[in-house]
Amino acid sequence: EAGVTQFPSHSVIEKGQTVTLRCDPISGHDNLYWYRRVMGKEIKFLLHFVKESKQDESGMPNNRFLAERTGGTYSTLKVQPAELEDSGVYFCASSPGGQETQYFGPGTRLLVL
Amino acid sequence: AQSVAQPEDQVNVAEGNPLTVKCTYSVSGNPYLFWYVQYPNRGLQFLLKYITGDNLVKGSYGFEAEFNKSQTSFHLKKPSALVSDSALYFCAVRGLFSGGYNKLIFGAGTRLAVHP
Repeated sequence: EAGVTQFPSHSVIEKGQTVTLRCDPISGHDNLYWYRRVMGKEIKFLLHFVKESKQDESGMPNNRFLAERTGGTYSTLKVQPAELEDSGVYFCASSPGGQETQYFGPGTRLLVL
Repeated sequence: AQSVAQPEDQVNVAEGNPLTVKCTYSVSGNPYLFWYVQYPNRGLQFLLKYITGDNLVKGSYGFEAEFNKSQTSFHLKKPSALVSDSALYFCAVRGLFSGGYNKLIFGAGTRLAVHP
């Protein structure tokens, strides 16, 4: 069974540009989460999808971040326009319905210059 | 507010010795607790979890963790460390409040270095 995959693995962009991160959850997992780790600090929750619906987006830092989950399958996280403080590692995780354990992808390392 | 603390930035252990990575938490109600490990250039891998039942939980790669409600701790342990255990370890608790029911709250991470 394939794990959670994320694309790209690395992205280097300039301040003001747009970047879109993609996450493909484990097949059949209804729950999809986005987290990020900034500058070696704690991994912080961004938002949670249940199928295509946003269950909790309390961790989204501001309106420059937009997450979507088309058809309840893969998800994208767009940052527009990117700022220096957005640099970090963005993790995606998924879990089956009713299960506590979240399975993480390898992360996307974003560097905004 | 719910929180997780990992008081040590780094733990150094000689190969073959027992290791402990500390974690304490603050949460209302009964906690769901997790340990994840991140190897270099890899994603987070699930190690083990405590939901209910026996306070000693066994997980992957010979790791175990002990839930201590009175001390609000969930320390990760292994009887005999391997060099290959060197990695970054994260403790997490599942949020219990409405609107954040399933999100994980992480500690800052502890880097484990096992020396030959």
